[in-house]
Amino acid sequence: DTAVSQTPKYLVTQMGNDKSIKCEQNLGHDTMYWYKQDSKKFLKIMFSYNNKELIINETVPNRFSPKSPDKAHLNLHINSLELGDSAVYFCASSQPTSGGYTFGSGTRLTVV
Amino acid sequence: AQSVTQPDIHITVSEGASLELRCNYSYGATPYLFWYVQSPGQGLQLLLKYFSGDTLVQGIKGFEAEFKRSQSSFNLRKPSVHWSDAAEYFCAVGARENKLSFGAGTTVTVRA
Repeated sequence: DTAVSQTPKYLVTQMGNDKSIKCEQNLGHDTMYWYKQDSKKFLKIMFSYNNKELIINETVPNRFSPKSPDKAHLNLHINSLELGDSAVYFCASSQPTSGGYTFGSGTRLTVV
Repeated sequence: AQSVTQPDIHITVSEGASLELRCNYSYGATPYLFWYVQSPGQGLQLLLKYFSGDTLVQGIKGFEAEFKRSQSSFNLRKPSVHWSDAAEYFCAVGARENKLSFGAGTTVTVRA
């Protein structure tokens, strides 16, 4: 069983479209995150949810909207996609007592 | 503000040779420090972490890291590198697992 799973793995779409990436974790962790990894492999946090509540919301365009229906799921919806949104998006989860994040395998988004 | 610097963008090492990856951090309190590895096309995997206690920590895959408060460093080492260690390595700092800040990464190439 995959601990943190993201779908889809690859996403190619045109500018202006709206798309969603889904993330699910089966570790029982309370906290989930979205990170963006750019073409230079730099990782930057976008959002963090703890038990379905938004706790970190970095400077991200409001075209990006996270949604957490329950503590095991954190989805990312992106409106009006732009070329600069092309990146790999990682979902992760953590538990304060466990130490460290568990990452999903990433979603490579390409906007054309 | 917390930040991480990985001074080496790319390191090439021969198989069987030792490896050391440098990490310097800036953090206002006692840091929680992590090393992650990312193989091509994969998510990030936790190698080891430091919260407190013994400043030399052992991780998976034969890696270890040493926390040096006086130098604000958390360097990663491996005595004998295997070809499968070729990957991207990220150092991270944060307050527990919340809002980790990652370094820019070091690419490790292993030559036969």
